[in-house]
Amino acid sequence: AQKITQTQPGMFVQEKEAVTLDCTYDTSDPSYGLFWYKQPSSGEMIFLIYQGSYDQQNATEGRYSLNFQKARKSANLVISASQLGDSAMYFCAMTVLTGNQFYFGTGTSLTVIP
Amino acid sequence: EPEVTQTPSHQVTQMGQEVILRCVPISNHLYFYWYRQILGQKVEFLVSFYNNEISEKSEIFDDQFSVERPDGSNFTLKIRSTKLEDSAMYFCASSARDRGGNEQFFGPGTRLTVL
Repeated sequence: AQKITQTQPGMFVQEKEAVTLDCTYDTSDPSYGLFWYKQPSSGEMIFLIYQGSYDQQNATEGRYSLNFQKARKSANLVISASQLGDSAMYFCAMTVLTGNQFYFGTGTSLTVIP
Repeated sequence: EPEVTQTPSHQVTQMGQEVILRCVPISNHLYFYWYRQILGQKVEFLVSFYNNEISEKSEIFDDQFSVERPDGSNFTLKIRSTKLEDSAMYFCASSARDRGGNEQFFGPGTRLTVL
């Protein structure tokens, strides 16, 4: 079975500072994908970044980067230069080659302080 | 940019009533999904659909739920007899390909409130 764990229910960061949101995963499938989604208070799910299990480089998308440590089974999201608009829930998710559903973590609520 | 759309954005219904939540996936996508998020909780997988049939479903997706692709564009989730605990945000998603590593594009969600 697949499992995603996000141990930080809430995080605070000062505007313009960097913040790391933790995510660990568990799967026996050697081929998988890891995703981060942002959910603002309006409720929609916004795709941020993707990392494949065989990708050698850490994924980056603008101010978002994914710190992928395969041996530790962690896929932490790093947001650089936080902005007030980054305040939202952040979900880590994964899919595996042998299935087609997303497995989500419980989310981290990020608050950016001016 | 193509996007998944969902209607209505908010549905209020009485317990025991049937509801149909509608989704229009991205036009060239072949794989469709429904997820549920109870307020304050994580997103949970309900069902995936491909080639006009269910390919995978969770234990949440019991006999009161059904999915259908009635035409070439819509993908619907029907809840036959709603219960209070069905109150949640329901997300539709679609993807171009199946299996691991393929991004699923999520719709904006339908907030279902059962009274």
